[in-house]
Amino acid sequence: LAKTTQPISMDSYEGQEVNITCSHNNIATNDYITWYQQFPSQGPRFIIQGYKTKVKNEVASLFIPADRKSSTLSLPRVSLSDTAVYYCLVGRVFSGGYNKLIFGAGTRLAVHP
Amino acid sequence: DAGVTQSPTHLIKTRGQQVTLRCSPKSGHDTVSWYQQALGQGPQFIFQYYEEEERQRGNFPDRFSGHQFPNYSSELNVNALLLGDSALYLCASSLRDREYGYTFGSGTRLTVV
Repeated sequence: LAKTTQPISMDSYEGQEVNITCSHNNIATNDYITWYQQFPSQGPRFIIQGYKTKVKNEVASLFIPADRKSSTLSLPRVSLSDTAVYYCLVGRVFSGGYNKLIFGAGTRLAVHP
Repeated sequence: DAGVTQSPTHLIKTRGQQVTLRCSPKSGHDTVSWYQQALGQGPQFIFQYYEEEERQRGNFPDRFSGHQFPNYSSELNVNALLLGDSALYLCASSLRDREYGYTFGSGTRLTVV
């Protein structure tokens, strides 16, 4: 499984755009990249997933360069409620379809007024 | 549409005791995974159940066992509790072969004293 590296913590202010970069140098051809968000005392929540180029949904964008060795989660105009831990995961659907999520330590984002 | 339901929400046990945690998956999901999350760490995969059988297991001792029932609900059992077992235990449900479809519960906070 590809190992991921992301910053331990980040600080931002309300209304700013936040970009969290994740490094995954050993990503395999059939791996895809998924980001989760976790608030204190809650389970992780799926944010976005992508394989290559750019993916966008109502809450975030995911940028993946051609070599796929890194990815960037972009949160537009953050608010105080975006203060959370953000996890970057890289994985694949294994043979037979039994798969698991491998979490690292994540990035603790603190949004200030 | 109910999401993943875990019970109890909090639990205090004494070293050496046994504990059972319960999980009801999201409607339509057939696979249940359990994770342990120590304070300040990312969730660690314990095991996964599908069709009432353990399909994958993480690096956890045999003290950790589980069960899945015909209605897809699941239990996590931990025997001979250690202080180090204190953590947030998360249940995630999914539909087989759909990795991005994981839905997490809010977890059970277990404290071993």
